[in-house]
Amino acid sequence: GAVVSQHPSRVICKSGTSVKIECRSLDFQATTMFWYRQFPKQSLMLMATSNEGSKATYEQGVEKDKFLINHASLTLSTLTVTSAHPEDSSFYICSAPWGGTPLAGPHIEFTDTQYFGPGTRLTVL
Amino acid sequence: GNSVTQMEGPVTLSEEAFLTINCTYTATGYPSLFWYVQYPGEGLQLLLKATKADDKGSNKGFEATYRKETTSFHLEKGSVQVSDSAVYFCALSRGAQKLVFGQGTRLTINP
Repeated sequence: GAVVSQHPSRVICKSGTSVKIECRSLDFQATTMFWYRQFPKQSLMLMATSNEGSKATYEQGVEKDKFLINHASLTLSTLTVTSAHPEDSSFYICSAPWGGTPLAGPHIEFTDTQYFGPGTRLTVL
Repeated sequence: GNSVTQMEGPVTLSEEAFLTINCTYTATGYPSLFWYVQYPGEGLQLLLKATKADDKGSNKGFEATYRKETTSFHLEKGSVQVSDSAVYFCALSRGAQKLVFGQGTRLTINP
């Protein structure tokens, strides 16, 4: 199946620093990507929609100046947690819906669904 | 608003046991319903889905039926295997491909 990667898988940083998380669709173009946040033993909460070529749209209650999103290309979205604090510690997951355009490479059978990255564990000390 | 509530885990079963993971939802309109599975170290994968009332989604021996009257989408499997050990998420689609998830249920199958 299609692959969405995230980097890094785990990051530990000091309070006040900024952390960048990358989300890549490896075998298809993704004009839209979604960023979720998951607290321990809780559900994934949608934070924002990343749109290639335009500004991200944020869910209610999510600080856009705190969580900067840049959809740099059709295969890459980045989430930057600025001036991170311990309460930002969480598991961040991205997803990319199948948009209809595969990249060159081995044939993959895509489905009308979303493909999720494996997540990034952020710990702010 | 839209929300999903699913059975709290963790759930531990023996191989070949019958599995049910309950999921209920509240939503405006008629959402699509999904079950996603997350294996250790991997991203969420779509397990099955149903797009309208009375639809039954099925995959890999798992089934779930969209019940509008009870606002439920319970996941079932007749005989689980060790390889089914994972975290299972029930979700609904709000439109524009945005998903609302339940809290996840960790399933462990012992040989």
